Amino acid sequence: AQSVTQLGSHVSVSEGALVLLRCNYSSSVPPYLFWYVQYPNQGLQLLLKYTSAATLVKGINGFEAEFKKSETSFHLTKPSAHMSDAAEYFCAVSPTGNQFYFGTGTSLTVIP
Amino acid sequence: ETGVTQSPTHLIKTRGQQVTLRCSSQSGHNTVSWYQQALGQGPQFIFQYYREEENGRGNFPPRFSGLQFPNYSSELNVNALELDDSALYLCASSTLLGTGGADTQYFGPGTRLTVL
Repeated sequence: AQSVTQLGSHVSVSEGALVLLRCNYSSSVPPYLFWYVQYPNQGLQLLLKYTSAATLVKGINGFEAEFKKSETSFHLTKPSAHMSDAAEYFCAVSPTGNQFYFGTGTSLTVIP
Repeated sequence: ETGVTQSPTHLIKTRGQQVTLRCSSQSGHNTVSWYQQALGQGPQFIFQYYREEENGRGNFPPRFSGLQFPNYSSELNVNALELDDSALYLCASSTLLGTGGADTQYFGPGTRLTVL
């Protein structure tokens, strides 16, 4: 069975500080991994995806994530938080490329 | 390039009624997936359609059904609505790769369904 665990349903950081959002997955096969962002009353927007190429994946808006197989993790980071980063972030795993399993989300608050 | 659109944006129904939600795929995409997102939760996979055939289904009862049309637009139908069906319903389109691999899913803004 596939599942995704996002540690910390709420994360607060100061503007300019490091953003770290945690994601651990379980999968019976090497998965495809994704991070999506959701702004209020909107659909999900892809930030980045891992598809078994480089383990460090760079995405949009300065975000990146590192795939660590030994830790079954795919944490999302950004060196310097911006006010516009405040949103809900979802990690997702797809073992086959078509069926996606999402975590419960992490709400990021950026404090000015 | 036209993005994924969904209609209606909001809908209010009563228990026992039936509802149809609609989705127009992004141009060039042949696959549509539907998700249910309850308040404060992540999206839950309902099912996926590829070239008008169901191509995978999550843990949802048969009263959740779907269609995909030749132009790759799609409908989600829910019969005998229950209070717990209240949620944001998201549609995502993508291009299923014949050689495997995960293409990006592009999400619509969703339809907010309230069941009273």
